[in-house]
Amino acid sequence: EAGVVQSPRYKIIEKKQPVAFWCNPISGHNTLYWYRQNLGQGPELLIRYENEEAVDDSQLPKDRFSAERLKGVDSTLKIQPAELGDSAVYLCASSLDSSQETQYFGPGTRLLVL
Amino acid sequence: TQLLEQSPQFLSIQEGENLTVYCNSSSVFSSLQWYRQEPGEGPVLLVTVVTGGEVKKLKRLTFQFGDARKDSSLHITAAQPGDTGLYLCAGTKNSGGSNYKLTFGKGTLLTVNP
Repeated sequence: EAGVVQSPRYKIIEKKQPVAFWCNPISGHNTLYWYRQNLGQGPELLIRYENEEAVDDSQLPKDRFSAERLKGVDSTLKIQPAELGDSAVYLCASSLDSSQETQYFGPGTRLLVL
Repeated sequence: TQLLEQSPQFLSIQEGENLTVYCNSSSVFSSLQWYRQEPGEGPVLLVTVVTGGEVKKLKRLTFQFGDARKDSSLHITAAQPGDTGLYLCAGTKNSGGSNYKLTFGKGTLLTVNP
């Protein structure tokens, strides 16, 4: 069974440029999460989707970050414009539903903003 | 505010040695999870502990949940180079029957030298 797929794996951009990350969760998983992991830190939740609905985006910096999961499967996370402090690993995870404690993480996208 | 404190932050040992890493909090969690994250990858779930005082073993790894469900430890016996990685603990709290929200510690970066 394929795991959570993320792309790109690495991205280097200049500040003020836009950037987008893509995630394909495990087939059949209704709940999708985006986390940000800064260097030397644990992951922090940005947004959680139940199917196509964003049910918790309280930690998402909405002035520059946006996310979508239009058909309840794949998801994209966008930053526009990127700032130096956005350099981090962006992790996507999925679970069968929100009552499941087990989340399966993708390999992450490593973003470097210059 | 860091709800979960992990110690030590860094640990470098020789192959064959034993080690214990800790995850402490002033908060009570409904469950606690341990993950291992290897360089360039996402976290992978090792174990979930739910009951206060619970002990779980996974080959050479022993996990314990504190009686008060505020802390946990991970003990590795006869460490091997393949155990190298970032060990993260994450707590969950019951929220209307939804256990989705994980709060991660900063992790313990373990290096096992051959």
